[in-house]
Amino acid sequence: GQQVMQIPQYQHVQEGEDFTTYCNSSTTLSNIQWYKQRPGGHPVFLIQLVKSGEVKKQKRLTFQFGEAKKNSSLHITATQTTDVGTYFCAPTSDMRFGAGTRLTVKP
Amino acid sequence: EAGVTQSPTHLIKTRGQQATLRCSPISGHTSVYWYQQALGLGLQFLLWYDEGEERNRGNFPPRFSGRQFPNYSSELNVNALELEDSALYLCASSLGLANTDTQYFGPGTRLTVL
Repeated sequence: GQQVMQIPQYQHVQEGEDFTTYCNSSTTLSNIQWYKQRPGGHPVFLIQLVKSGEVKKQKRLTFQFGEAKKNSSLHITATQTTDVGTYFCAPTSDMRFGAGTRLTVKP
Repeated sequence: EAGVTQSPTHLIKTRGQQATLRCSPISGHTSVYWYQQALGLGLQFLLWYDEGEERNRGNFPPRFSGRQFPNYSSELNVNALELEDSALYLCASSLGLANTDTQYFGPGTRLTVL
């Protein structure tokens, strides 16, 4: 199955700074989902992107699907301590989640 | 609405033994997925069941197997346990065969192999 690469693996930011995680594929993706897993918790669905160039927003979170549908990004504006966790991307064509980006936020 | 439930919460086994993990999906969901998450690592896809059939399998040896029952609950069996099988095993369910459906995860079973 196809594999997506997520970068960075870790990101430590000061509260209030922005954060971006990227999900890259060597093949075209039909659609992609993003999940968040808080420390000690289980993954929770955030959003699904379907269309080329699609941009969706959820409060301070902005999700983007590349024009070629080979990459996606999640951007958090002005991080808060509640944003701490690991963010995973997952192509829906198979169940192979990206390795995730672990975000820590210093108050 | 009750979420995905998994049992047991914790399971301790020794090398060579067999482990059985159970998952009950959200009511109305017919698809069940199993993932392995080793400490501090990502989600590794194990198995996907829908309507009682295995639909997809990850890159795991045959000693990882499972099944889905008529009520859509599922069981994951791990035979001949090895130390590296120690991990959090997560189950997720979704509405149906369309793999674009959102997956809802359970709290997981933490398996420790001594």
